[in-house]
Amino acid sequence: GESVGLHLPTLSVQEGDNSIINCAYSNSASDYFIWYKQESGKGPQFIIDIRSNMDKRQGQRVTVLLNKTVKHLSLQIAATQPGDSAVYFCAENDSGNTPLVFGKGTRLSVIA
Amino acid sequence: GAGVSQSPSNKVTEKGKDVELRCDPISGHTALYWYRQRLGQGLEFLIYFQGNSAPDKSGLPSDRFSAERTGESVSTLTIQRTQQEDSAVYLCASSLGGGPSYNEQFFGPGTRLTVL
Repeated sequence: GESVGLHLPTLSVQEGDNSIINCAYSNSASDYFIWYKQESGKGPQFIIDIRSNMDKRQGQRVTVLLNKTVKHLSLQIAATQPGDSAVYFCAENDSGNTPLVFGKGTRLSVIA
Repeated sequence: GAGVSQSPSNKVTEKGKDVELRCDPISGHTALYWYRQRLGQGLEFLIYFQGNSAPDKSGLPSDRFSAERTGESVSTLTIQRTQQEDSAVYLCASSLGGGPSYNEQFFGPGTRLTVL
């Protein structure tokens, strides 16, 4: 399959460390946010989502933080593992049926 | 169960030719989306089908692009008179419906289109 992000920003972390991936959005009306993970040659895979009435949501090893004041979203991955190596995208929309707007993505590279 | 499948996985064509890309959604999913992903970029929305409603075509970049869906099953994305800038990975996703913020979208592996 095709590599989807040869020129993306890259975050390199040591295995076992925590990772933080950031995303800025511009639409102040956005009320739903989602993080996807995309491995090489595969389609994006849902990780975690959050609505605008929350500022933090936790999953298994992942936490999403939302700061609506500065329109900033982050994904925290605890105890990063080699299997976490992928491109991560944020996406958002401003109502139930409007299309998701995707960010450009960040490549996470885990150093064993 | 089976996920979203797309065919072909790779397509190489000459400039000016027409191409058809196929998507088989997860059975029972009423919503189907097409996206384009250029190298090093995020996903660009193209078109959204929801049940029997008129599709949301607001993301189609030109009239060379069109898509059809048969009921709540297979969808075909057609690109006529392909141009080199059409080269990208075309991704299909399906969900239970109700819009992107109500139900998770499940993505297929994509079709890599290369226009020479």
